[in-house]
Amino acid sequence: DAGITQSPRYKITETGRQVTLMCHQTWSHSYMFWYRQDLGHGLRLIYYSAAADITDKGEVPDGYVVSRSKTENFPLTLESATRSQTSVYFCASSFSSGGSGTDTQYFGPGTRLTVL
Amino acid sequence: LAKTTQPISMDSYEGQEVNITCSHNNIATNDYITWYQQFPSQGPRFIIQGYKTKVTNEVASLFIPADRKSSTLSLPRVSLSDTAVYYCLVDNTDKLIFGTGTRLQVFP
Repeated sequence: DAGITQSPRYKITETGRQVTLMCHQTWSHSYMFWYRQDLGHGLRLIYYSAAADITDKGEVPDGYVVSRSKTENFPLTLESATRSQTSVYFCASSFSSGGSGTDTQYFGPGTRLTVL
Repeated sequence: LAKTTQPISMDSYEGQEVNITCSHNNIATNDYITWYQQFPSQGPRFIIQGYKTKVTNEVASLFIPADRKSSTLSLPRVSLSDTAVYYCLVDNTDKLIFGTGTRLQVFP
């Protein structure tokens, strides 16, 4: 059971380049989430998706684009990377809404992104 | 969205009971209280969730008073491997909002 995976695990890019972080889950969970984690800020929600073709903004969506054409995949794209987007990015999934008391979120191992 | 307040850090020794309190004064009627644990270089992991009174599982207990404006995560007899960041969340919508959490350091 692979669970939830992220790729790449580490990425170094330059300012202005487009970068796509991949997230894949094998549980057929409806909900998927992208967070970024920076020192002093804990985890902050970037985007989330309640189902295929349904996405919504979180706390810090600016500079990011998501898509969800298939239930199992939820890629996150930085259209023009900036140094402030240097962070650790976590993907998560849940069967149903993680905050409703009916389910919990399962997190991937994270992607460490450095923008030079 | 309800906002939570937790201590930034706590220290303990192996074998002691650790209680981490979270304040959530604006909790709504339908909000659940959820705690996650995060080890370095890993994603958060669900520990426990509750709505009121007391919930216990194999890892921890969660105490919620009647007014639900706070909650306490109790870790019995901690070990070095319990050193981690602990997040308290309250929400009933699609998305969870993580704060900065409480960094627990367990010493031998």
